[in-house]
Amino acid sequence: AQSVTQLGSHVSVSEGALVLLRCNYSSSVPPYLFWYVQYPNQGLQLLLKYTTGATLVKGINGFEAEFKKSETSFHLTKPSAHMSDAAEYFCAVSYGNAGGTSYGKLTFGQGTILTVHP
Amino acid sequence: ETGVTQSPTHLIKTRGQQVTLRCSSQSGHNTVSWYQQALGQGPQFIFQYYREEENGRGNFPPRFSGLQFPNYSSELNVNALELDDSALYLCASSRGADEQFFGPGTRLTVL
Repeated sequence: AQSVTQLGSHVSVSEGALVLLRCNYSSSVPPYLFWYVQYPNQGLQLLLKYTTGATLVKGINGFEAEFKKSETSFHLTKPSAHMSDAAEYFCAVSYGNAGGTSYGKLTFGQGTILTVHP
Repeated sequence: ETGVTQSPTHLIKTRGQQVTLRCSSQSGHNTVSWYQQALGQGPQFIFQYYREEENGRGNFPPRFSGLQFPNYSSELNVNALELDDSALYLCASSRGADEQFFGPGTRLTVL
């Protein structure tokens, strides 16, 4: 069974600093990988996804992530944090049509709350 | 194009009661997945409906049940509510295994 681990339940950065949110997955087959953002009292918004092809994926709001198969990682980065980036971030995996009986069933990590200080 | 909508936004129930949550999928989507997000946790997969049939289920008891209608909207029903059922319930629609689009969620509080 697949699982997702997000290292650090809380990350705090200063405005303008690098954002790095860590995600590792366990899987016997290459998964599809996702990062979602959740603002308070809202649903999930997709930031970026990796399915196949280029391992460096660019998403919305200046975020990007790199799929490293050898490290089973998919860390999320942003060069310069903005106050509006403060939210909770979730890493997730799925297996598309190869995920057994459920199409694209998502397995999520526990989430990382990002705080941005002025 | 209308996105995924859920109703109600908030709901308060007492232990032992039953609840029905509703989800309208995005136009052109034939698959609906339901997730439970307890406070401070990541969402957990409850089940999925594809073309009106259950298409996979997570580790949830049978008192969690669902339906999908011909227009691909969906309901989540929970019987015999327990305190631990208090959570944000998220619905996501997709076209098969394509990207899932999430609704805003229904916040259920069980007293």
